[in-house]
Amino acid sequence: KAGVTQTPRYLIKTRGQQVTLSCSPISGHRSVSWYQQTPGQGLQFLFEYFSETQRNKGNFPGRFSGRQFSNSRSEMNVSTLELGDSALYLCASSVTGMNTEAFFGQGTRLTVV
Amino acid sequence: GQNIDQPTEMTATEGAIVQINCTYQTSGFNGLFWYQQHAGEAPTFLSYNVLDGLEEKGRFSSFLSRSKGYSYLLLKELQMKDSASYLCAVRDSGSARQLTFGSGTQLTVLP
Repeated sequence: KAGVTQTPRYLIKTRGQQVTLSCSPISGHRSVSWYQQTPGQGLQFLFEYFSETQRNKGNFPGRFSGRQFSNSRSEMNVSTLELGDSALYLCASSVTGMNTEAFFGQGTRLTVV
Repeated sequence: GQNIDQPTEMTATEGAIVQINCTYQTSGFNGLFWYQQHAGEAPTFLSYNVLDGLEEKGRFSSFLSRSKGYSYLLLKELQMKDSASYLCAVRDSGSARQLTFGSGTQLTVLP
């Protein structure tokens, strides 16, 4: 079956702009989690969506937001980009988001200049 | 909150055995995961432990001791392709149920 698909793979944005990233989970998976990965901080949890509802949220400012659609596809938005937002953004899908294996997408590499 | 510690780097020789340790402090525990991540690629699932003991899956095994807040990933018969970052992650048991990742252990396998 198809894996988790993230688009785009690479993005370059200017400070102050906003960006939207997309994640299509594995068919049948209803939970989508987003993570930010940087060399200094490692993988940090952003938020999780389940059945179109944000179920959990990490410690990120309100500039980071997301949503999930009825087909379980999810989008993540970052407004007023800062240089420090440059990172690999990964999404992971799982059946329920509970004690189940999470499958990661290839990620979106965002560079803010 | 949760705190996860694992060594930053390890080096081993092809064909050898290596053990990557992970210790955690958590306010609630609902499972520990190990992921492998090659440079520039997505993390891939290796193992999941929720009860104490050893889980074996081919060349990879993972051990958990909940009372000690300790886990290890054991890699046998190392191959060059095993050179990667190994991430330990803990799922909490509260309403968040989120995965908290360690910083990863970069394993280099030498010929």
